[in-house]
Amino acid sequence: EPEVTQTPSHQVTQMGQEVILRCVPISNHLYFYWYRQILGQKVEFLVSFYNNEISEKSEIFDDQFSVERPDGSNFTLKIRSTKLEDSAMYFCASSEIGGRGRSGDTQYFGPGTRLTVL
Amino acid sequence: LAKTTQPISMDSYEGQEVNITCSHNNIATNDYITWYQQFPSQGPRFIIQGYKTKVTNEVASLFIPADRKSSTLSLPRVSLSDTAVYYCLVGDRNNQGGKLIFGQGTELSVKP
Repeated sequence: EPEVTQTPSHQVTQMGQEVILRCVPISNHLYFYWYRQILGQKVEFLVSFYNNEISEKSEIFDDQFSVERPDGSNFTLKIRSTKLEDSAMYFCASSEIGGRGRSGDTQYFGPGTRLTVL
Repeated sequence: LAKTTQPISMDSYEGQEVNITCSHNNIATNDYITWYQQFPSQGPRFIIQGYKTKVTNEVASLFIPADRKSSTLSLPRVSLSDTAVYYCLVGDRNNQGGKLIFGQGTELSVKP
């Protein structure tokens, strides 16, 4: 079964440094998402991306965050200047449009990248 | 978006059937119900989705009464590996590409 993959699985960085989290969505999917989960808390939506532009973003997704689909397979989340409070699990997800009788809103998540900001 | 309410935690034993009920009193006509499962340090995983009546797949069953104000996820004969957090989400079936809003979920603990 096709899967969403993410790299790295764990990223440690110093406060103020830039990080790029990478994701390879399922190949025939057209919608892409980033979520994050701070330890012990809920999964929170960050941003959705379709047709090479942001569809929706949350209040968390401020100017320090950006997303890009640099080629036909990768989807990246960049944090320009990391803060301590950015430490969390970051999940990438993707969904297709109305495929195989399912609603297009069914999202498939990757295993996550654990970001630790020191 | 319809608000959902589900128990914070549940305990069960191996081999038992587990039913987790979610309330969504303000569900709208176009909303469908989706359940996700999350193991520790992993991403949420889609389990099942339904609009009304009963849906069954290889993992679980989803029971939705006629008024659709609640739904019950049924896990038959649970094993230790079913220990996870289970989330009930309600969303517009026409909303392609929309964000998912997760609550706290139900933390299911299966004991030997």
